[in-house]
Amino acid sequence: KAGVTQTPRYLIKTRGQQVTLSCSPISGHRSVSWYQQTPGQGLQFLFEYFSETQRNKGNFPGRFSGRQFSNSRSEMNVSTLELGDSALYLCASSISGRGQETQYFGPGTRLLVL
Amino acid sequence: AQTVTQSQPEMSVQEAETVTLSCTYDTSESDYYLFWYKQPPSRQMILVIRQEAYKQQNATENRFSVNFQKAAKSFSLKISDSQLGDAAMYFCAYRRPGRADTDKLIFGTGTRLQVFP
Repeated sequence: KAGVTQTPRYLIKTRGQQVTLSCSPISGHRSVSWYQQTPGQGLQFLFEYFSETQRNKGNFPGRFSGRQFSNSRSEMNVSTLELGDSALYLCASSISGRGQETQYFGPGTRLLVL
Repeated sequence: AQTVTQSQPEMSVQEAETVTLSCTYDTSESDYYLFWYKQPPSRQMILVIRQEAYKQQNATENRFSVNFQKAAKSFSLKISDSQLGDAAMYFCAYRRPGRADTDKLIFGTGTRLQVFP
């Protein structure tokens, strides 16, 4: 089975722009979670989607949004980019998102905001 | 709020030796899950081992084992016969399903493991 894929792998944007990141889960996985990783804040949960519905959300401003499609692929969008949004964005998939399930991570998208 | 603490920012070990990484967590729950993830320089997070809190037996995966002390809220990772490929950041994580504030992976700050030949 192919693993979790994320596109693009690297991205450079300027302040005020918006960006869309994509995540394709492992085939058969219906839950997708997003995490932000920065040197200062570490790994923080953004949101989780299951069956096209947001099931949980972390403590991030409304500029961060996401969605999930019927094929379980997910996108996250960040509007009005700030310098502090520079980070590695990781997505993870699991079969149904239940707590005991292993989450499989993608390689991440590294976003640099100038 | 649940927190996960990794008090060792960096650790080093000689190849073929054993090293233990520490993790403590704060929770008032009795049913939860604990994980150790490895993040090599490629940045891809890889699950190393997981433990269900209701299981008393410590989890083991080949050279990796945990010492789960529920009462002490401690979850350490032991790597035996260390290999150069074990060099990475190691993150301890907690998840408690059923509550929105904990039904997600809550990560510690990580321990960077160096392996010397």
